[in-house]
Amino acid sequence: DQQVKQNSPSLSVQEGRISILNCDYTNSMFDYFLWYKKYPAEGPTFLISISSIKDKNEDGRFTVFLNKSAKHLSLHIVPSQPGDSAVYFCAANQGQAGTALIFGKGTTLSVSS
Amino acid sequence: DGGITQSPKYLFRKEGQNVTLSCEQNLNHDAMYWYRQDPGQGLRLIYYSQIVNDFQKGDIAEGYSVSREKKESFPLTVTSAQKNPTAFYLCASRYAGGRGNEQFFGPGTRLTVL
Repeated sequence: DQQVKQNSPSLSVQEGRISILNCDYTNSMFDYFLWYKKYPAEGPTFLISISSIKDKNEDGRFTVFLNKSAKHLSLHIVPSQPGDSAVYFCAANQGQAGTALIFGKGTTLSVSS
Repeated sequence: DGGITQSPKYLFRKEGQNVTLSCEQNLNHDAMYWYRQDPGQGLRLIYYSQIVNDFQKGDIAEGYSVSREKKESFPLTVTSAQKNPTAFYLCASRYAGGRGNEQFFGPGTRLTVL
């Protein structure tokens, strides 16, 4: 059973508009959430994270929102750029250092110019 | 430059042969991880290690083995018991004392079993 779900396999957005990528989770014990970006045949790169004690974290064009009651988080990219076209993975972690992340299946974002 | 290296980038093997994928990091990270990515799938955890000479199985450990003799190195062996070994393999590491749980990934190895 998937604990981290990204229900939209793909998303297409025009350059300059907002991209919103969604992620749902089932385990209420998760206390840290991360977003990674991945290009084909490369390793994922860390984008932004949020602790469960917060509901928003912002870093430049990227903002992550966390709704604990709904077990839902979203990544907003504003404005979207063609270079943002990639696969975005949502990941979650519970508890102590060193434990592994649990990843969703990813959403492929395509930004057209 | 600090980072995680995986070699080789592409690897071809005949069915029934064991193969070892290399992962080295010079970030002084304590924990290291191996994931596998298949088309349409997320990253699935194979093995992880939090300290030298210790490692734990992940969700899909069957047919794989690892060692952690040095802090910098965490090689993964894909054995002939792995039923579907063709995949993209990713190694990651994390500093246990960090403020968050960010893992840093290597560039990956594409293994194709013929």
